[in-house]
Amino acid sequence: GAGVSQSPSNKVTEKGKDVELRCDPISGHTALYWYRQSLGQGLEFLIYFQGNSAPDKSGLPSDRFSAERTGGSVSTLTIQRTQQEDSAVYLCASSYTHRDGYTFGSGTRLTVV
Amino acid sequence: AQTVTQSQPEMSVQEAETVTLSCTYDTSENNYYLFWYKQPPSRQMILVIRQEAYKQQNATENRFSVNFQKAAKSFSLKISDSQLGDTAMYFCAFTLPTSGTYKYIFGTGTRLKVLA
Repeated sequence: GAGVSQSPSNKVTEKGKDVELRCDPISGHTALYWYRQSLGQGLEFLIYFQGNSAPDKSGLPSDRFSAERTGGSVSTLTIQRTQQEDSAVYLCASSYTHRDGYTFGSGTRLTVV
Repeated sequence: AQTVTQSQPEMSVQEAETVTLSCTYDTSENNYYLFWYKQPPSRQMILVIRQEAYKQQNATENRFSVNFQKAAKSFSLKISDSQLGDTAMYFCAFTLPTSGTYKYIFGTGTRLKVLA
């Protein structure tokens, strides 16, 4: 595709429910990243994919968070048993070479009520 | 550990004026990449400019330029002839090629408002 696509754009969920956030990167971009942006904060790294494997999951905040990538393309970030502190904007980015910088999606704003 | 510091949470500038956003970082590595990203209210993070640490020449992109001071570990962004569309959050970011993941370390951002 022309850009990185994320869905849904906004998601409101009840505390304790599971949510799935989707990222469709630019075709041909082998690297894919998830970041979390809380209100008034910078971007917090969550996970990095190279192809279908995730060599760096060090930023996932708890075992309630998981992510997968299939076919070297679409990635899904799953948050189980959501908590209010999970409320944030979740940004996905992809890149072909590290020198050129990431291309970001528009993010998913998650609100846990 | 690498860190990125943006010491100006908010700034404002008159339209057509020049503004400089500051960024400092900390690393013991010699080779790395630095970026400035813009995030307007639409949430889309847009790459403004990038700098490779081994290049001494400061990067420029139209009205945007950087002042890269490697010894001081400083990477400021200068916006000339500010336009209303420049109103956004600006994030400085840093990545190490040797990390293997090229994950970015971001600063906390500077909110820039361009006044008419």
